Amino acid sequence: ETGVTQSPTHLIKTRGQQVTLRCSSQSGHNTVSWYQQALGQGPQFIFQYYREEENGRGNFPPRFSGLQFPNYSSELNVNALELDDSALYLCASSLLGRPYGYTFGSGTRLTVV
Amino acid sequence: QQPVQSPQAVILREGEDAVINCSSSKALYSVHWYRQKHGEAPVFLMILLKGGEQKGHEKISASFNEKKQQSSLYLTASQLSYSGTYFCGTRGSQGNLIFGKGTKLSVKP
Repeated sequence: ETGVTQSPTHLIKTRGQQVTLRCSSQSGHNTVSWYQQALGQGPQFIFQYYREEENGRGNFPPRFSGLQFPNYSSELNVNALELDDSALYLCASSLLGRPYGYTFGSGTRLTVV
Repeated sequence: QQPVQSPQAVILREGEDAVINCSSSKALYSVHWYRQKHGEAPVFLMILLKGGEQKGHEKISASFNEKKQQSSLYLTASQLSYSGTYFCGTRGSQGNLIFGKGTKLSVKP
């Protein structure tokens, strides 16, 4: 059973730039969720993808966008980076509608300077 | 609506017990519990379902009180490896998980 892998592990970007983060889901899972975790806080829901469609979104602006591919891998794109976007970005895979836990990746630490 | 966790932090000696609470202002149908060690991904511990049994493994167990809209995580005879931040998660209207702010547990020798 493969876990969830994210890349890159660390990234430094300049304010105003764009960034793409990648996630490979756990084998057999059909749903990918992305979370933003600021230091000392719980993960905040960004959005969720099921069968390549966004089917849930948290309180994040449109410059946060995503994709899910047929193999259930996913991307998170953030445009026009702001300093407050600095955080740990976590990807989690799960089976929609099943009472199982999420499997999280180790995250991408994004620093915006 | 973000669930509320208490306490925010707790320090224990090895072998001591701890209880972490998670409460919601909305009706609960399920509660997830995760542990996150510093610099690592959150790891799923267990899920409590409405009408389900109390879950647990080894010395970590949890309960779910539907009437009080509350779940509690019990750590018995804590070990150094239990140190980390514990998060509860409840279902949002979009099927997503909404996490609490976490409870930082430190177990000292």
